[in-house]
Amino acid sequence: EAGVAQSPRYKIIEKRQSVAFWCNPISGHATLYWYQQILGQGPKLLIQFQNNGVVDDSQLPKDRFSAERLKGVDSTLKIQPAKLEDSAVYLCASSLGGGATEAFFGQGTRLTVV
Amino acid sequence: KQEVTQIPAALSVPEGENLVLNCSFTDSAIYNLQWFRQDPGKGLTSLLLIQSSQREQTSGRLNASLDKSSGRSTLYIAASQPGDSATYLCAVMDSSYKLIFGSGTRLLVRP
Repeated sequence: EAGVAQSPRYKIIEKRQSVAFWCNPISGHATLYWYQQILGQGPKLLIQFQNNGVVDDSQLPKDRFSAERLKGVDSTLKIQPAKLEDSAVYLCASSLGGGATEAFFGQGTRLTVV
Repeated sequence: KQEVTQIPAALSVPEGENLVLNCSFTDSAIYNLQWFRQDPGKGLTSLLLIQSSQREQTSGRLNASLDKSSGRSTLYIAASQPGDSATYLCAVMDSSYKLIFGSGTRLLVRP
């Protein structure tokens, strides 16, 4: 089966610009996660969707970050305006949902803000 | 609030050694625990998933154990190889299905 697809793989932008990342989860997976991973740290959860509803976005900086999950399938994460400290790898993951299921990750998008 | 800690932060061993990576978590109300591998510049690859009702899982040279009551998990790697060099991350799924990560252990296996 196809894995979690993310694009782009790399992005370089100037501070104050905007950027968007796209994620296509594994078919049939109800739960979708976006994580931010700063170099040398573990991934930090930004937002969790169950189908097209938000389950948790408590660590999403809502003044500049937004995310949506269209029709409960694909998802986009947007940053506007970007700051230097947003430089990180943005990871998308999906799972079937519920507590017994395994999470699968995409390759990530490496964002550099200059 | 669930917190996950991994010790050591970095580990360097000669090829062929058996090694143990540690993961601890503060809240025992978890659904499962997953161990992941991350190569530089890559995403996360799932290695083992242990359900909260299980004590251990094995895959090839890897064995992961879970002691939910004490909030601990270990990942045992037998007969380490240079190809095992990577960062190993553990993550727990909490009662609201959030996957919470530790900061990882960077492993270097020297030829």
